[in-house]
Amino acid sequence: RKEVEQDPGPFNVPEGATVAFNCTYSNSASQSFFWYRQDCRKEPKLLMSVYSSGNEDGRFTAQLNRASQYISLLIRDSKLSDSATYLCVVNGGRAGTALIFGKGTTLSVSS
Amino acid sequence: DTGVSQNPRHKITKRGQNVTFRCDPISEHNRLYWYRQTLGQGPEFLTYFQNEAQLEKSRLLSDRFSAERPKGSFSTLEIQRTEQGDSAMYLCASSLPRYQIGGLQETQYFGPGTRLLVL
Repeated sequence: RKEVEQDPGPFNVPEGATVAFNCTYSNSASQSFFWYRQDCRKEPKLLMSVYSSGNEDGRFTAQLNRASQYISLLIRDSKLSDSATYLCVVNGGRAGTALIFGKGTTLSVSS
Repeated sequence: DTGVSQNPRHKITKRGQNVTFRCDPISEHNRLYWYRQTLGQGPEFLTYFQNEAQLEKSRLLSDRFSAERPKGSFSTLEIQRTEQGDSAMYLCASSLPRYQIGGLQETQYFGPGTRLLVL
């Protein structure tokens, strides 16, 4: 089983749509959780950290369920500029500092 | 630009040649990471440094790969006797962990990467 698994995608949605991405992780010892965004042929950039209580940043809402080892990202009122690959990330490695990435889910928002 | 920088941005080499990449982290960051990303996959951890000490290497880092961070600032990643399977984007990230309410918080900031093609 891969350490971080995400919805395969791609997701093709119209502007204004609400879209949800899901992710599961296998290491119950993971303590840090993130969503990164990666545009085509660019580096990953932190979108938001994910906290146990859930957190919101504008149109983006992230949820964490430690019991189910499940992370989600909800994007409301999608914009053309949201088109990108969204990477689910947890901490890992022997020291717990490395980032373990899922394969990513591609979102394409069209007008 | 005070972000993470990487050089070169692109490298084409022939199989069997050695290549070296450089990463300059954000200046006050004490941790530096190397990752590799192939098409359709997320980045995979290779190794990390805290200051000049290399504290972890993943099993992906074969003995043809070596990384250094001699003065705790910039880092180099060398690949010896390159193989076609080494073709990938090599990403560097840096961070400065801080203690906040809830524990140690760390955000890794990535450089633009070096895209390697081995012919």
